[in-house]
Amino acid sequence: KAGVTQTPRYLIKTRGQQVTLSCSPISGHRSVSWYQQTPGQGLQFLFEYFSETQRNKGNFPGRFSGRQFSNSRSEMNVSTLELGDSALYLCASSQTPGLSYNEQFFGPGTRLTVL
Amino acid sequence: GENVEQHPSTLSVQEGDSAVIKCTYSDSASNYFPWYKQELGKRPQLIIDIRSNVGEKKDQRIAVTLNKTAKHFSLHITETQPEDSAVYFCAAEGGSARQLTFGSGTQLTVLP
Repeated sequence: KAGVTQTPRYLIKTRGQQVTLSCSPISGHRSVSWYQQTPGQGLQFLFEYFSETQRNKGNFPGRFSGRQFSNSRSEMNVSTLELGDSALYLCASSQTPGLSYNEQFFGPGTRLTVL
Repeated sequence: GENVEQHPSTLSVQEGDSAVIKCTYSDSASNYFPWYKQELGKRPQLIIDIRSNVGEKKDQRIAVTLNKTAKHFSLHITETQPEDSAVYFCAAEGGSARQLTFGSGTQLTVLP
């Protein structure tokens, strides 16, 4: 099985712009979670999508949004970029949330730099 | 919501020694505790996990212990090798939404 893929791998934007990141889960996985990783902050949960619906949301401002398509692929969007949004954005897929033991498989991440 | 604290943030050991990383969690309903290893420039990968009905689990040189009463769990790596050098994250899954909450990570360095 192919692993979780993310595009693009690297992105450079300027303040005020918006950006869209894409995540394709492992075939058969229906849940996609997004995390922001910054030095010293670990993995901060952004949101989780399942069956095209947002199932969970972390404590991030409304500038961060996402969606999931019928094929389980997911996108996240950040509008009005700020310098502090520079981070590695990771997505992770799992089979079905709500079942016991939600093992997540991570993608390689998108490195976003905001200038 | 769930809160996971992880200590230490950095850990250096001599090759062949043991390493221990500890995490505490706040939600007594949490019932799944995975550990992820992230090598430099790579994605986090699951190395071991434990369910709440088990007190200890071993996989070769890696073991995890869970104390539900005290709400803490630990990762033990024996006979450390240079390739064990990485950032290790603990996590806890709990609550009605069964969301994974991660600790802040431990940078483990194994000195040759």
